[in-house]
Amino acid sequence: LAKTTQPISMDSYEGQEVNITCSHNNIATNDYITWYQQFPSQGPRFIIQGYKTKVTNEVASLFIPADRKSSTLSLPRVSLSDTAVYYCLVGDRRNDKIIFGKGTRLHILP
Amino acid sequence: ETGVTQTPRHLVMGMTNKKSLKCEQHLGHNAMYWYKQSAKKPLELMFVYNFKEQTENNSVPSRFSPECPNSSHLFLHLHTLQPEDSALYLCASSQLGTSGGPGGTDTQYFGPGTRLTVL
Repeated sequence: LAKTTQPISMDSYEGQEVNITCSHNNIATNDYITWYQQFPSQGPRFIIQGYKTKVTNEVASLFIPADRKSSTLSLPRVSLSDTAVYYCLVGDRRNDKIIFGKGTRLHILP
Repeated sequence: ETGVTQTPRHLVMGMTNKKSLKCEQHLGHNAMYWYKQSAKKPLELMFVYNFKEQTENNSVPSRFSPECPNSSHLFLHLHTLQPEDSALYLCASSQLGTSGGPGGTDTQYFGPGTRLTVL
């Protein structure tokens, strides 16, 4: 399973766009990139998944360059409630397990 | 509400006690997972059950014993735990892809967790 590297923590302000970048230099051809969000004392929650280029849903956008060695989760106009830990994972559905790294602790300030 | 429930939400036990954690998923999924999350550490995968068969035991000590009687229920039996076993225990479920081909990892739906304290 490909290893991922993310910043340990980030601070931003309400109303700003936040971009969290994840490095996955050893991503395999069949791997997808998935992001989860976790609030304190809760289980992680799926945010978005993609394979290449750009994916957007009602919560976030995911940008993946052509070489797929990194990806960027973009959260538009964050609010205080977006304070959480964000995990980047890579994997293929043929694996029945996924590995969570340390994630990025995002702190939104008023 | 994710469709995955866990009981109890909080548990305090002594090192000589025997207790069980329960997880139930109402999503019709075919895979269930136990994770451990200690303070300021990454989520650690403990066990995976795929179609009720255990497919992963991530070097977990034998004082943790999982049981999956059917695809909707998952238990974690605990006995003679140590204080360092205090953590948030999370259950998750997913519908594993059956197409045989590649694709994105199937989304895991997590329960709210059981906060375990071992005295």
